[in-house]
Amino acid sequence: EPEVTQTPSHQVTQMGQEVILRCVPISNHLYFYWYRQILGQKVEFLVSFYNNEISEKSEIFDDQFSVERPDGSNFTLKIRSTKLEDSAMYFCASRTGQGGGQETQYFGPGTRLLVL
Amino acid sequence: KNEVEQSPQNLTAQEGEFITINCSYSVGISALHWLQQHPGGGIVSLFMLSSGKKKHGRLIATINIQEKHSSLHITASHPRDSAVYICAVPSNTDKLIFGTGTRLQVFP
Repeated sequence: EPEVTQTPSHQVTQMGQEVILRCVPISNHLYFYWYRQILGQKVEFLVSFYNNEISEKSEIFDDQFSVERPDGSNFTLKIRSTKLEDSAMYFCASRTGQGGGQETQYFGPGTRLLVL
Repeated sequence: KNEVEQSPQNLTAQEGEFITINCSYSVGISALHWLQQHPGGGIVSLFMLSSGKKKHGRLIATINIQEKHSSLHITASHPRDSAVYICAVPSNTDKLIFGTGTRLQVFP
């Protein structure tokens, strides 16, 4: 069964460093999302992406964050200058785009980011 | 903005018990999602439902659209059911809004 994959599974970085989290959505999916979960908190939306542009972004998604779909398969989240509070589990998700709100989003296994 | 509330926050059970987890939301929706988060952190979609009831193995999800309430039931619970169960609703822009999750531990 097709699945969303994410790399790396874990990333440790120093504050101020740039990180790139990578996701490969399911191949026929058109809508892509990044969510994050700070330890002990609920999952929260970061950004959605469709047709090679951002559809929506949350207040969290400031100028330090960017997303890109550099080729036909990868979907990346870049944090330009990491802060301690960026430490979280980051999930990528995708959906086909055929069902609107009545459609399953498929989640990747997550990247656990730790900023020291 | 839709507020999603789950109860209980934590739940312990003996193997074989019937489990109920509740979810309520504040704004009408087209569908509601139940998700399972494994101890390692990964999230798996269990159900998406817009009305009535759905069943998958020992899991049953129900929704009452008028009352803005959904329940997830686990029959004959097993230690491998131990996980965090999360309900989520789509916003009008289709991003998911998540509840805080219910941490379930089933003991042998």
